[in-house]
Amino acid sequence: EAGVTQFPSHSVIEKGQTVTLRCDPISGHDNLYWYRRVMGKEIKFLLHFVKESKQDESGMPNNRFLAERTGGTYSTLKVQPAELEDSGVYFCASSQLGRYQETQYFGPGTRLLVL
Amino acid sequence: AQSVAQPEDQVNVAEGNPLTVKCTYSVSGNPYLFWYVQYPNRGLQFLLKYITGDNLVKGSYGFEAEFNKSQTSFHLKKPSALVSDSALYFCAVRDLQNTGNQFYFGTGTSLTVIP
Repeated sequence: EAGVTQFPSHSVIEKGQTVTLRCDPISGHDNLYWYRRVMGKEIKFLLHFVKESKQDESGMPNNRFLAERTGGTYSTLKVQPAELEDSGVYFCASSQLGRYQETQYFGPGTRLLVL
Repeated sequence: AQSVAQPEDQVNVAEGNPLTVKCTYSVSGNPYLFWYVQYPNRGLQFLLKYITGDNLVKGSYGFEAEFNKSQTSFHLKKPSALVSDSALYFCAVRDLQNTGNQFYFGTGTSLTVIP
């Protein structure tokens, strides 16, 4: 079974540009999460999809971040326009629906550097 | 507020010696506790979790962790360290009753096993 995949693995952009990150969850996982780790800090929650609906977006830092999950399969996270403080590693995770003890399975992350 | 503390940024241990990576947590409700490991250029891999029941939890690669409610701790342990255990370890907590499915992570502990 394929794990969570993320694309691209690395992205280097200039301040003010737009970047779109993609996450493909494990097949059959209705829960999809985005997290971010800024250098040396903790991994922080951004948002949670259940199928195509946003269940919790309390961690989204501001309106420059837009997440979508059309059709309830893969998800995209767009940053527009990017700022220096957006640099970090963006992780995606997925899990099965309806199990309170469910384990979240993480992708390899996208390393974003904003210059 | 929910939080996780990993007091040691770096832990060094000789190969064959026991290892401990510390984690303490703070949640309002009942904690669901997890350990993940990140190898270089890889995503987070699930190691083990505590949901309920026996306080000693056994996981992948010979790791175990003990849930201590009175000390609000969930330290990761292994009886005999291997060089291949060198990686970044993250402790995470979920408080389903109050903050839903999102994980709260610690800042990570870098483990180096010295041959």
